[in-house]
Amino acid sequence: GQQLNQSPQSMFIQEGEDVSMNCTSSSIFNTWLWYKQDPGEGPVLLIALYKAGELTSNGRLTAQFGITRKDSFLNISASIPSDVGIYFCAGQPRGNAGNMLTFGGGTRLMVKP
Amino acid sequence: DAGVIQSPRHEVTEMGQEVTLRCKPISGHDYLFWYRQTMMRGLELLIYFNNNVPIDDSGMPEDRFSAKMPNASFSTLKIQPSEPRDSAVYFCASSGGGQFYSNQPQHFGDGTRLSIL
Repeated sequence: GQQLNQSPQSMFIQEGEDVSMNCTSSSIFNTWLWYKQDPGEGPVLLIALYKAGELTSNGRLTAQFGITRKDSFLNISASIPSDVGIYFCAGQPRGNAGNMLTFGGGTRLMVKP
Repeated sequence: DAGVIQSPRHEVTEMGQEVTLRCKPISGHDYLFWYRQTMMRGLELLIYFNNNVPIDDSGMPEDRFSAKMPNASFSTLKIQPSEPRDSAVYFCASSGGGQFYSNQPQHFGDGTRLSIL
């Protein structure tokens, strides 16, 4: 089946640093989504991307839909302790009949105060 | 607005028992998804519904698993009989969209943490 390769798997950074993570696929996607999951909770949508090349911001978060439709990245600027959690990318394949998503394996972010 | 509501939040039961997980999607959403999350396998789609009809159940691991959606505001995922390897966090998600295609984002509930002893 289709797979999304998400990297890095984990990051341990100092508060105030910028963070970058990405997802790549061997297949083309129509939609890219980025979610954050806090312990004991469900994934929460951060950013949705619908067009190749699209660059979207949500506060300190910025995400881009790769021009080839096969990748996406998420940047977090000036990280703070509450950014700790697991970040997931998800893609909806082209031609997908319905609304099924493929998820990346997640990036676990840890922030040192 | 209320999000996706799941119950119970935690369930601990002995193997062999029947387990029923419940989900109330966001009002107006016509897609509903059941996922399972484990450390080893990450987030796995089990089944999804569109307008209360099961569309793809290829992710359901075994016949012990079944899901229903009797109306637009309620769905259940049942495991009978349960086994220790079913222990995981089970998420329900919903999204809006049309009958055949939607790219509207899925919104998740807070999950049910299931432990089978």
